[in-house]
Amino acid sequence: SAVISQKPSRDICQRGTSLTIQCQVDSQVTMMFWYRQQPGQSLTLIATANQGSEATYESGFVIDKFPISRPNLTFSTLTVSNMSPEDSSIYLCSVDFAGGLKPYEQYFGPGTRLTVT
Amino acid sequence: KQEVTQIPAALSVPEGENLVLNCSFTDSAIYNLQWFRQDPGKGLTSLLLIQSSQREQTSGRLNASLDKSSGRSTLYIAASQPGDSATYLCAVRRSNDYKLSFGAGTTVTVRA
Repeated sequence: SAVISQKPSRDICQRGTSLTIQCQVDSQVTMMFWYRQQPGQSLTLIATANQGSEATYESGFVIDKFPISRPNLTFSTLTVSNMSPEDSSIYLCSVDFAGGLKPYEQYFGPGTRLTVT
Repeated sequence: KQEVTQIPAALSVPEGENLVLNCSFTDSAIYNLQWFRQDPGKGLTSLLLIQSSQREQTSGRLNASLDKSSGRSTLYIAASQPGDSATYLCAVRRSNDYKLSFGAGTTVTVRA
């Protein structure tokens, strides 16, 4: 299993500003994932972050808007840039493990609740 | 593209009643299926993981079944309690690229 922490847990930001969300995992993982959950919606994958390479973004998400860093095997950041009210969402960090007793079981952090005014 | 549907969208039951939550998916080429619980404004907690070769998984009062050929999974929660009130999400992992597809969730309210 994995224990994932995120900072901040919530924030209220003004439009046009940027927010960086941090994700820390208690064990080394190859891939980390960033999801967005807009109000009343299910989860949408933003990007996959591999250590030592550029993040892979899903359709509809671009690096300029959601830059991601992955400096080591336990840490990643997601920045939400030039925010607008439409960016108000819960942002979730996630990992899975390819091996072990439960291959590809997904774990999620507690989420960052972002409100843009 | 994998489409995941959860019915009903919301459910309200009195305490003690058994809960039945449904999840259907369009592509049977899956690697596994996972059920999550989400409390309001919070992250996701994994409840049960079923590999594609399995028919069911059990944990305490929770039992999840999988019928891959018909594209369905059911989560049963026995003897519901007010603490079971939450949104339950089903996620299907594709076998070709291991990506997850999520349903929209079923919001459960258990009345004391």
